[in-house]
Amino acid sequence: QKEVEQDPGPLSVPEGAIVSLNCTYSNSAFQYFMWYRQYSRKGPELLMYTYSSGNKEDGRFTAQVDKSSKYISLFIRDSQPSDSATYLCASGGYQKVTFGTGTKLQVIP
Amino acid sequence: NAGVTQTPKFRVLKTGQSMTLLCAQDMNHEYMYWYRQDPGMGLRLIHYSVGEGTTAKGEVPDGYNVSRLKKQNFLLGLESAAPSQTSVYFCASSAEHQPQHFGDGTRLSIL
Repeated sequence: QKEVEQDPGPLSVPEGAIVSLNCTYSNSAFQYFMWYRQYSRKGPELLMYTYSSGNKEDGRFTAQVDKSSKYISLFIRDSQPSDSATYLCASGGYQKVTFGTGTKLQVIP
Repeated sequence: NAGVTQTPKFRVLKTGQSMTLLCAQDMNHEYMYWYRQDPGMGLRLIHYSVGEGTTAKGEVPDGYNVSRLKKQNFLLGLESAAPSQTSVYFCASSAEHQPQHFGDGTRLSIL
């Protein structure tokens, strides 16, 4: 079993929809939780970073961490075609993190 | 602000050849990492460094060597390339207790 599990998709939504992306993790020691966005043929770009449980909001993006259920979520409001990318969740300790395999999202105009 | 720069961007090797991938960061980060990304496998850690002169093995270190002679540079070497090492290689760096920042990768094909 991988330490971080993520549905690979692809997920296809119409423009303006609310997108929900989810991951689960298995290591209770994980303290840091991140979401990265990766466009085709580019490196992962940090979107959201949280420490421990709770919510964090940044513009149209909201990250949620529920440590009791070991569940990580990313919500995208008013999705745009420019949001079409692969989204990677990651969690870990302060030196190393484990990445999910990524969910491919397509936002259709 | 360049961030994390990887060279080369593309490379084709023959089996048995050697090469070095260079990663440079201008953010004064202590930690640097090398990953490979393969379809369906996600990012897998090859080696990492927690400071100048230090290196440590990650999840998939076999067939690779690394060196961190200068704080800003992290080199990944393939001594005898194998087709199984065909992949996209990403370098990342971070400050302590901070998330990692990635370069745009090196696409390596081994024939």
